Order: sequence, then structure tokens, then C-alpha cells
Amino acid sequence: AQTVTQSQPEMSVQEAETVTLSCTYDTSESNYYLFWYKQPPSRQMILVIRQEAYKQQNATENRFSVNFQKAAKSFSLKISDSQLGDTAMYFCAFMKKEYGNKLVFGAGTILRVKS
Amino acid sequence: EAGVAQSPRYKIIEKRQSVAFWCNPISGHATLYWYQQILGQGPKLLIQFQNNGVVDDSQLPKDRFSAERLKGVDSTLKIQPAKLEDSAVYLCASSPISRYYGYTFGSGTRLTVV
Repeated sequence: AQTVTQSQPEMSVQEAETVTLSCTYDTSESNYYLFWYKQPPSRQMILVIRQEAYKQQNATENRFSVNFQKAAKSFSLKISDSQLGDTAMYFCAFMKKEYGNKLVFGAGTILRVKS
Repeated sequence: EAGVAQSPRYKIIEKRQSVAFWCNPISGHATLYWYQQILGQGPKLLIQFQNNGVVDDSQLPKDRFSAERLKGVDSTLKIQPAKLEDSAVYLCASSPISRYYGYTFGSGTRLTVV
């Protein structure tokens, strides 16, 4: 079974600064996907960024980028130029690439952006 | 496109009562998921539907939880009887057949069992 570990229960960052959220996972699969989701107080899970395991290039989406280290099974999220609207719970998630696959989530990291 | 709709947004019930949650996925999305998110934890999959059929319900407490997806569209999740430990947010999500771009989630139902 796959497991996802987020070792930082809470993080805080000053507005306009950069913060990195950590995620490690355990799997014997070679083909899979990794995701970061954001959950603001409204509770709706919003997809932030997605990485395919067979792609060596790290994914980026505007101010969000990942550092994907496949051998180390590490998938960290970097948020640049942090904004107050980035305050939320962030979840790392894993999905095998096969029929009937499902998202397996970590426990989450609360990120607070301070003005 | 319209998002995933869920209702009610909040529900408070006494233990041993029953409760039902409703989900309307994005039009055309074949796959529908129900997740349970206990406070301070990540979401955990309860059940996954592909059209009308169940793909995975291995984590569903079948003695008290049931779910159905009529005509491959809307879905309901029921708890009967509820226990205190069922207090959680229940999230519904949907995805097209090619789901590797991630799911689209609803805003969830927050259930409090007292």
C-alpha cells in the first residue's frame, strides 16, 4: 500500500517571501502521479500542481513549483512571493497509474501567510 | 463548467440517528468518489464509482454506511446509525475516465454527531 507523509503540521511565512512544504511517499510502483492540493477554509480542494513520475522535469504553475526527487521519493512544493490568499491547508497526494486508481493523501500542512 | 455540487453544507445529528448526503458531479464525469476527512487528517476514500458500478469500497464501513449512484449521475451517501466518530467532512469528487489530471472536488458536508 502507498503512504504519503507530510512531516510539517504547520508552517508560516511572511507575505512576499518563499516557503517550501515537504512531502515524502512510499511506493513500489514506477509509474504514478503526484499532486498538491490546497484546501482553504471554504473546504473545497483545489488542485495546485501535478507531476508525472516518468517526467524528470519539475512541474511549475506560476508561483508554485515542485522539487521531485524520484529516487528519494520526495515531492516538495515551493511557493514564491507568498500571498495572503495562499493561507490554507495543503495536501500532498499520490495516484498509481492504473485502472481503478485512487488518490492517497497525506495528513496535510497548515500554511499561514502573515502580513 | 459547473462544479461538483454537494448538500447539505452542514448537518448536526444525534448518535444513532441516520443521515444522507447528496452529490451531483460534473456533467460527463464517469467516476465519482466519496472521501471522509476527519479533523486534522487527510481525506480517506470511502467508495469509488465508475458510472453505476462500484470500483472500490474496501474502506467503507458497510455495517453502517451505504452509497448508491443512480443512472451513473447523482450519488447519495447514507450513515445509519451514526456514531460519534463519524463526525467529519464528507467530500465528493468526480473525474473523467482519464483521471490523471486530478479530481474536481465539491465543498463537502460537515457532519457533527452529538
